[in-house]
Amino acid sequence: DQQVKQNSPSLSVQEGRISILNCDYTNSMFDYFLWYKKYPAEGPTFLISISSIKDKNEDGRFTVFLNKSAKHLSLHIVPSQPGDSAVYFCAASVGIQGAQKLVFGQGTRLTINP
Amino acid sequence: DARVTQTPRHKVTEMGQEVTMRCQPILGHNTVFWYRQTMMQGLELLAYFRNRAPLDDSGMPKDRFSAEMPDATLATLKIQPSEPRDSAVYFCASGRAGPETQYFGPGTRLLVL
Repeated sequence: DQQVKQNSPSLSVQEGRISILNCDYTNSMFDYFLWYKKYPAEGPTFLISISSIKDKNEDGRFTVFLNKSAKHLSLHIVPSQPGDSAVYFCAASVGIQGAQKLVFGQGTRLTINP
Repeated sequence: DARVTQTPRHKVTEMGQEVTMRCQPILGHNTVFWYRQTMMQGLELLAYFRNRAPLDDSGMPKDRFSAEMPDATLATLKIQPSEPRDSAVYFCASGRAGPETQYFGPGTRLLVL
């Protein structure tokens, strides 16, 4: 039962253009959504998040959009840069006993072409 | 620059052997998580601790996996006996209050032959 899904295993984008990564979820109890970025041989690093009470959060070149009715979120990167090439994980959070449990998607490998 | 450290970084072992992975969380973090990354499942949560107490280990195969926090500076994940299907990258993460403060270690890449 995959509660968080990233249906695109890979995405290739031209440098300078917009990258859009998508994520769907099934559990209405999720109260926070996050994007993590992962380079090879490293652990995931936090990128940006959004609370379930908002529909947009922006941080520099990164914007996350949340559509609760569709149970869908997306990450926009504009303009895309070669250093953005990495695996991006979508994650959803639910609070349990004072800790935030994260459920991750399978990841999308983003390649930015010069 | 505080970081989560994990040892070993790589482990190759034979089926049936015991494997112990160690994690040192960031000082001051009171929540520790163990994740496993595989090609098929992505990142799966295995277990997590708050203030050294186990909160949830429902993601772990109970018969062979065990997770402990002997003290605030050390978390361990053991597999006994190991099987080829346990081959994966195991990540430890630590954090405080909010979800975005989960910091991941570099992972232990395990190969069970």
